[in-house]
Amino acid sequence: QSALTQPPSVSGSPGQSVTISCTGTSSDVGGYNRVSWYQQPPGTAPRLMIYEVSNRPSGVPDRFSGSKSGNTASLTISGLQAEDEADYYCLSYTSISTYVFGTGTKVTVL
Amino acid sequence: EVQVVESGGGLVQPGRSLRLSCTASGFSFVDYAMSWFRQAPGKGLEWVGFVRSKAYGGTTEYAASVKGRFAVSRDDSKSIAYLQMNSLKTEDTAVYYCGRDRYFAFNIWGQGTLVTVSA
Repeated sequence: QSALTQPPSVSGSPGQSVTISCTGTSSDVGGYNRVSWYQQPPGTAPRLMIYEVSNRPSGVPDRFSGSKSGNTASLTISGLQAEDEADYYCLSYTSISTYVFGTGTKVTVL
Repeated sequence: EVQVVESGGGLVQPGRSLRLSCTASGFSFVDYAMSWFRQAPGKGLEWVGFVRSKAYGGTTEYAASVKGRFAVSRDDSKSIAYLQMNSLKTEDTAVYYCGRDRYFAFNIWGQGTLVTVSA
């Protein structure tokens, strides 16, 4: 199972919006609404930001939103803040009952 | 407090074995599947494997990179999930995390335990 494809980096100024894409296949992202997103600042454990494509766990700011179209899922951060600077990973359940991560995206706040 | 804590990491020689533990507290461990993940130094996250809850047969699944060498198990009486790692390779060097599976996502992670495979 190959890693899902994410852009290596995205950047934006405070207050702007950025979107991270996560492209897979019909055997993972496109086949299930079981895509989640994780934020990982340097040296820390990942934190769940979105589950089941577009649901936010309690405590996650509503600036974070998720969506999916076909084989590509997306995470949008609206009203970018300095504290959002981190690595972000998507994760999808697959047709062979495994999970696969995306390649990761570094978000930089300019 | 709902949490999981990994332990058992350390320095091990190539070809040897190591067992990691993931001790859960604050929730009904028996009701959840548990996964293991890893992150090599400076690299991205990789899912390693999981064990389903007994309600779903307690069966396991693995990433192709570790299938046949690693085994995930659980002891519900102790609220512990294990990762048995055999025939270790230098490329298995990583921080290993465990996580609680809920809605096919992981909202509870430990702090990780470092495994270094080196002669």
